[in-house]
Amino acid sequence: EPEVTQTPSHQVTQMGQEVILRCVPISNHLYFYWYRQILGQKVEFLVSFYNNEISEKSEIFDDQFSVERPDGSNFTLKIRSTKLEDSAMYFCASSEALRGSGYGYTFGSGTRLTVV
Amino acid sequence: DQQVKQNSPSLSVQEGRISILNCDYTNSMFDYFLWYKKYPAEGPTFLISISSIKDKNEDGRFTVFLNKSAKHLSLHIVPSQPGDSAVYFCAASATTQGGSEKLVFGKGTKLTVNP
Repeated sequence: EPEVTQTPSHQVTQMGQEVILRCVPISNHLYFYWYRQILGQKVEFLVSFYNNEISEKSEIFDDQFSVERPDGSNFTLKIRSTKLEDSAMYFCASSEALRGSGYGYTFGSGTRLTVV
Repeated sequence: DQQVKQNSPSLSVQEGRISILNCDYTNSMFDYFLWYKKYPAEGPTFLISISSIKDKNEDGRFTVFLNKSAKHLSLHIVPSQPGDSAVYFCAASATTQGGSEKLVFGKGTKLTVNP
């Protein structure tokens, strides 16, 4: 079964450093997303991406964050100048179509980001 | 801002019995609802969805019921199996201004099915 692949599975970084979280969505999917889950809290929407541009972003997704699809297969989330409160599980997801497909998103296994 | 609420943090049932997981929402703009299952150290896995134009959707052992007037949905698992033990997330969707979609998740309910 096709999978969304995320690397690394765990990233530890010092406060103020930049990190890049990588994702390989399912190949025929057109819509890409990043979500995050701070420990003990809800899964939260960060950003959606379609046709090589951001289609929606949450209030969490400020200038510190950026996304890119550099080569047609990878989908990256960059966090500049990380803060302690950025520590969370970051999930990439992709979907073939907008809702109504009945299949929901396919999520990756996540990258656990720890900012120290 | 709790637009999607799962008021039971945990639920324990016996193998073979029915599991009922509940979810309430407040935003009338939501028109598509999904249930995801999550094991530790894995991403959420899509289980079943329902459009707001329906009140029931069934897929094998899983049935989702939607009561729009009460803004309530539930997931029924019959019969429950030990392998169903996981955290179950309810999620709601509305089309965004940008024509995209974002999911709003509940906090999850941890289901334990005892052999």
